[in-house]
Amino acid sequence: NAGVTQTPKFQVLKTGQSMTLQCAQDMNHNSMYWYRQDPGMGLRLIYYSASEGTTDKGEVPNGYNVSRLNKREFSLRLESAAPSQTSVYFCASSVFGSRTGEAFFGQGTRLTVV
Amino acid sequence: TQLLEQSPQFLSIQEGENLTVYCNSSSVFSSLQWYRQEPGEGPVLLVTVVTGGEVKKLKRLTFQFGDARKDSSLHITAAQTGDTGLYLCAGALFGSNTGKLIFGQGTTLQVKP
Repeated sequence: NAGVTQTPKFQVLKTGQSMTLQCAQDMNHNSMYWYRQDPGMGLRLIYYSASEGTTDKGEVPNGYNVSRLNKREFSLRLESAAPSQTSVYFCASSVFGSRTGEAFFGQGTRLTVV
Repeated sequence: TQLLEQSPQFLSIQEGENLTVYCNSSSVFSSLQWYRQEPGEGPVLLVTVVTGGEVKKLKRLTFQFGDARKDSSLHITAAQTGDTGLYLCAGALFGSNTGKLIFGQGTTLQVKP
């Protein structure tokens, strides 16, 4: 059982370039999330999708867009990368409406913007 | 301002020592979770606590949810080198049904042999 799969695992971009981070889950979860992790900051929510067809902003959405392609896939796009977007990005999924909110995470994408 | 304040942020101890990590907030959570993260990997769920005052044990790890559901603690007894890693607390805000989690800053634990 693959769980949550993210691609790519590593990426180096030049300032101003664009890219899309891909995420797919095979656990039939309704809700999917994109977080970024920076030293000393924990995980901060960028965007989430509570169910297929809906997306909402999280804590730090500026500079990002998302697409919930279907129930399995949730992509994150950087239209014009900036050095401040250098981070480790995690995709996660969970059962919608769960009071406990337990999340399952991918292995992360390490992005460096130079 | 961090909604969930986790402390300490760094902890370096000798094998065999005990330690406690704290997670505090002024907000009420319907549940609180603890995750552990290894280098190069995503966080992995250790435990979820949902009832105020609840205590859960996982081998040498003891998790407690505060009576008011605003805080939690993780206590490790007789730490081992295999406990080294990043520990994250995360809460699901009371009244939210979206599954969004609020994370603390994390505690980096190093257990030396």
